[in-house]
Formats: sequence, C-alpha cells, structure tokens
Amino acid sequence: DTEVTQTPKHLVMGMTNKKSLKCEQHMGHRAMYWYKQKAKKPPELMFVYSYEKLSINESVPSRFSPECPNSSLLNLHLHALQPEDSALYLCASSQTGLGYTFGSGTRLTVV
Amino acid sequence: KQEVTQIPAALSVPEGENLVLNCSFTDSAIYNLQWFRQDPGKGLTSLLLIQSSQREQTSGRLNASLDKSSGRSTLYIAASQPGDSATYLCALSYNQAGTALIFGKGTTLSVSS
Repeated sequence: DTEVTQTPKHLVMGMTNKKSLKCEQHMGHRAMYWYKQKAKKPPELMFVYSYEKLSINESVPSRFSPECPNSSLLNLHLHALQPEDSALYLCASSQTGLGYTFGSGTRLTVV
Repeated sequence: KQEVTQIPAALSVPEGENLVLNCSFTDSAIYNLQWFRQDPGKGLTSLLLIQSSQREQTSGRLNASLDKSSGRSTLYIAASQPGDSATYLCALSYNQAGTALIFGKGTTLSVSS
C-alpha cells in the first residue's frame, strides 16, 4: 500500500458545525502532515506529527484541532469555521529518504 | 529564509514539444528536492525525488536534475502530451522526515493537441 487515503473527498459545513477530516496511511511513515491549499496557491503547512507527537503548529487558529490516534491515522477536527477557511485540505506522510506522499485532499466549503 | 522560485509561471505548448521547467532556491543546504504534479482540485502526485547526494532522476519521459551549488533544479518533459497538462510544483526539504516542505508557486502547463 503506497497511498495516503483522505475522507471525505468533499465536505460542506455551516459555521456552527463540528466535523472531522480523516487521513490514513499504511506505509509505516512516522511523520504526518496537514496542509491547507487555496486556489492557485501552493500548499501551506498547518501541522506536523512526528512519531505521533505534535512537533509543528504553524500558528493555526484553535478552531482547527489535530489529533494523531496512532501511527497510521491523522484527524483534523473542525469547529466554528469561517467562510475563509474554505479550501483544499491535504494530508501527507513522509519517511527519511523516501520523500513525501500526499493524499487526494478534502474539498471543504464553509457556508 | 529559503525562497523557491519557479519559472515560468505558465506555459502553453503544442503536443510533441520537449520542454523544461525551472526551479531555483536560495539556500543550498537542502536534504531532498521533490517534483509534484497537481491536477485542478486534486491532490499532489509525486513525480521525482532527488536526494541531496544525487544529480538527477529519471522516470519515463521525465528527467529532473539538481545542482545544489547553483541552487537550481530542472524538470525536463520529453514529447509532451495533452495529458501532461497540470500544475507542476517544486518542493524542498531541509532535514529528515518531520520537517515541512517548502514549495514554489508552481508552473501551470497546458499542452494542446
């Protein structure tokens, strides 16, 4: 298995909703990432988990809450989002010497 | 602070042309350089990974080179096809796994039949 799987592929949520994005990989990679990408821009780093511990938080608002339940899973919990949070959310994993593998993303729309 | 520049920002070519996409960076102390392809609204697909000790990598019609001393990488696409139309992103890492990738802004390629 050489893939990073993200669910759901599309999500529409209201500003008062709570939802979660999920990411899974079975390549044994010990680093996992959340990126946010707006249209026609490169991905922007949000969080890094290394060996299941949060190692980087790029000053992301607290309405985004990451969680790494085990070495294969990464969640991003969403609460009280704003319309400007609408974007493509990408999960990635990496292992030393093997580069980064990205998932297909979750297209999030906040209404 | 590392800056990654990709030139050109957009490129339109007829089918069959050979083409070169450029990536330059300001800090040569990189660990890896990776080229990705992104179709509209989709995730990133890794094309080629060049580790800092390597000079080039090849996969099918794609060849990527790395010159750390000059801070440059090129992605060469041979005999372009309409299916190659996408945005191509160059990304650098500075350490082992667990550090962020630094992306260029990408080159959007359109290949016409």
